[in-house]
Amino acid sequence: GQNIDQPTEMTATEGAIVQINCTYQTSGFNGLFWYQQHAGEAPTFLSYNVLDGLEEKGRFSSFLSRSKGYSYLLLKELQMKGSASYLCAVRGGGSSNTGKLIFGQGTTLQVKP
Amino acid sequence: NAGVMQNPRHLVRRRGQEARLRCSPMKGHSHVYWYRQLPEEGLKFMVYLQKENIIDESGMPKERFSAEFPKEGPSILRIQQVVRGDSAAYFCASSPNNEQFFGPGTRLTVL
Repeated sequence: GQNIDQPTEMTATEGAIVQINCTYQTSGFNGLFWYQQHAGEAPTFLSYNVLDGLEEKGRFSSFLSRSKGYSYLLLKELQMKGSASYLCAVRGGGSSNTGKLIFGQGTTLQVKP
Repeated sequence: NAGVMQNPRHLVRRRGQEARLRCSPMKGHSHVYWYRQLPEEGLKFMVYLQKENIIDESGMPKERFSAEFPKEGPSILRIQQVVRGDSAAYFCASSPNNEQFFGPGTRLTVL
């Protein structure tokens, strides 16, 4: 089966650092994506990892360990507008894979002053 | 370069009616994915299309749902004889390679 797990809710303080974890079990692997989704809006792309290690993009960083089936998204210098859902998604691998993304349930992050 | 466009943004239908959702991919993208997001749930893949071809429809319900992406014009997701359980946000995404760019979604409400 295919399964992607992430915490349902998290709370953090403005200006702090927060880490959102994601574990996955999928048939094949061809990349892991993180998206941000504000309520009632479309998901917007944050990061993409296909090799092990840390990818840094300003206030966002994402880490991947393929052997552990684990990723995290690190948000630094949290802003109030960072209150949103953060979606972890995996693209399966293999010759039959068509690029579709398998999403977790999303983590709703609330940033407090 | 306009982003992915979807219309309508909101659609209300009564049970038994048909719903047609349209998606125009970003310029230069010929791959379209449709996802459904039920209330309080994650996005679920429905179908992947390229121009005039359905590549993967493994996430589509077997009945009442169909999709197309004609040579000219937008991709269309069609839901016949809608039921209350079809109420959801329907997102399409287009892709040139790794990233999938999402449209604003169509929020379907079935009364």
